Amino acid sequence: DAGVIQSPRHEVTEMGQEVTLRCKPISGHNSLFWYRQTMMRGLELLIYFNNNVPIDDSGMPEDRFSAKMPNASFSTLKIQPSEPRDSAVYFCASSSTGVGSNQPQHFGDGTRLSIL
Amino acid sequence: GESVGLHLPTLSVQEGDNSIINCAYSNSASDYFIWYKQESGKGPQFIIDIRSNMDKRQGQRVTVLLNKTVKHLSLQIAATQPGDSAVYFCADSISGGYNKLIFGAGTRLAVHP
Repeated sequence: DAGVIQSPRHEVTEMGQEVTLRCKPISGHNSLFWYRQTMMRGLELLIYFNNNVPIDDSGMPEDRFSAKMPNASFSTLKIQPSEPRDSAVYFCASSSTGVGSNQPQHFGDGTRLSIL
Repeated sequence: GESVGLHLPTLSVQEGDNSIINCAYSNSASDYFIWYKQESGKGPQFIIDIRSNMDKRQGQRVTVLLNKTVKHLSLQIAATQPGDSAVYFCADSISGGYNKLIFGAGTRLAVHP
């Protein structure tokens, strides 16, 4: 079975440019999470969606960051304009959420973003 | 707890020994706990989970122990292999909270031949 698919795997761009990261969750999963990982701050939750609706975006660092989930099989995280301090590995994860007990989140292999 | 990546604690073990990785959580309302393994260049990979109505759960070569009294979680790896070298994260959540996980800081496991 295909896992969470993220693209691109690597992105190098100059500061000020718009960056768009993409994620395809596991089919049938109805929750999607965006994380950022750096050496200094570890793994940070940025935003998460349930049934395509944003539930909590309190982890989004600034207004330069935005995320959308137009349908159950696709989400984007956009940074505009990008800055060198945005350099990090960005992960997308998905899980199946229903009434009652929680289920594991499954992660993609991330997008390594470098802003010059 | 809040995840902080700088200065990850490291556990060094000899190949074939058993490894024990410990984790503390802070929310007494948490009722779901999970361990992830992260290898270099990859995303966190689900290993094993446990719910609060249990205090022990076993998988293939791994065992998770939960002590709710002291809010402590541990991951035991039997007969540690070089392929087990990675960073291990624990996380906890509350049922009904959209599966939002609170990650620990992580522990680096180094397996030596």
